[in-house]
Amino acid sequence: DAGVIQSPRHEVTEMGQEVTLRCKPISGHDYLFWYRQTMMRGLELLIYFNNNVPIDDSGMPEDRFSAKMPNASFSTLKIQPSEPRDSAVYFCASKRRTGGSNYGYTFGSGTRLTVV
Amino acid sequence: RKEVEQDPGPFNVPEGATVAFNCTYSNSASQSFFWYRQDCRKEPKLLMSVYSSGNEDGRFTAQLNRASQYISLLIRDSKLSDSATYLCVVTPTTDSWGKLQFGAGTQVVVTP
Repeated sequence: DAGVIQSPRHEVTEMGQEVTLRCKPISGHDYLFWYRQTMMRGLELLIYFNNNVPIDDSGMPEDRFSAKMPNASFSTLKIQPSEPRDSAVYFCASKRRTGGSNYGYTFGSGTRLTVV
Repeated sequence: RKEVEQDPGPFNVPEGATVAFNCTYSNSASQSFFWYRQDCRKEPKLLMSVYSSGNEDGRFTAQLNRASQYISLLIRDSKLSDSATYLCVVTPTTDSWGKLQFGAGTQVVVTP
């Protein structure tokens, strides 16, 4: 089991540029989550998918952020245009629903984004 | 008011000592409770679930107090490797299954 795989691990970009973060969930997991972590705000849920369908995107900060899950093994989080306040660590997590339990909620290693 | 609140610490603990800290939550309908551990510049990892009756996992003991809406974590015989940030996590309600709400974390530093 390779775990949740995120890429890139680090991204430095200039303000105004488009940034795309990628996530491969654990095979067989039917839920996928995107979180953002900053010192000021801690871990914030941005959006989550169930069976590739977005369920709740209320945490997406604004229209500059978009997320897609074209298939069960891949998701992207895109920021366009990026701003310095988007600098954070972005985590992807996945899980399989098992009797309503929240066990098996696995995070990827994160993408550390810096917008200059 | 934040939905999940924690004392940020740091809690400086001599090796071998016991440390305990709490987390409060605001939604009385909250269903599930967990402690996650996050090492510096790493991803959060599940440490343990918190059951109504309280539960132990080795040196770690978790308690839930629904009446006062807090959960606690106690670490006995602290090891240097216990140094980390401990995140309190709550699942708000049954109709928001899957959504975890994280506290900001309590930093624990175990010193030799």
